[in-house]
Amino acid sequence: EADIYQTPRYLVIGTGKKITLECSQTMGHDKMYWYQQDPGMELHLIHYSYGVNSTEKGDLSSESTVSRIRTEHFPLTLESARPSHTSQYLCASSEYSGDSRNTGELFFGEGSRLTVL
Amino acid sequence: KNQVEQSPQSLIILEGKNCTLQCNYTVSPFSNLRWYKQDTGRGPVSLTIMTFSENTKSNGRYTATLDADTKQSSLHITASQLSDSASYICVVSDRGSTLGRLYFGRGTQLTVWP
Repeated sequence: EADIYQTPRYLVIGTGKKITLECSQTMGHDKMYWYQQDPGMELHLIHYSYGVNSTEKGDLSSESTVSRIRTEHFPLTLESARPSHTSQYLCASSEYSGDSRNTGELFFGEGSRLTVL
Repeated sequence: KNQVEQSPQSLIILEGKNCTLQCNYTVSPFSNLRWYKQDTGRGPVSLTIMTFSENTKSNGRYTATLDADTKQSSLHITASQLSDSASYICVVSDRGSTLGRLYFGRGTQLTVWP
């Protein structure tokens, strides 16, 4: 079992609301990631972090923001949710091998399914 | 263009039967290839990771093969069980970027019937 936790598992909110998806891991991993996944589609990287105070945007453009103040915590925030943000959001972590080009084994959380009405 | 293609898109088999899932990729330069199992509504769980020099790797009833020359991989499931019903995702990592970028396939949805 991976020690990476996401809350909430399910969230239904109205348009314009601010939401934060929480992600915590207890494995001491430096690298953390947020992916977006729609049904039948591949995972898309939206944010990643190499460590504390390090955050980068991923391949898929996203209106969300992230922060990495503590190693174990990597929350994702949407300032004003819209129906187009409805999706499954997956948080993941991996060890840092010293080579930034080598992504180690990924451990995923259970996901947060967001529905914006 | 770096891509990962999986086939079939979906598959239904009877409990106890074997099956093989396919993954073709064009990712270069190649670093490693991973297979993940994703139960409905859950996060993916790693099954195997294979580097360039590895041709086959097993994890219980799951056996993955890799042909780096033809850029193909397969995941063979032996004596399937109802709990094998899930999406199986092929992921290829490159070494050409500073991220160690991962390219995800869309998955094969496997359903095992009793």
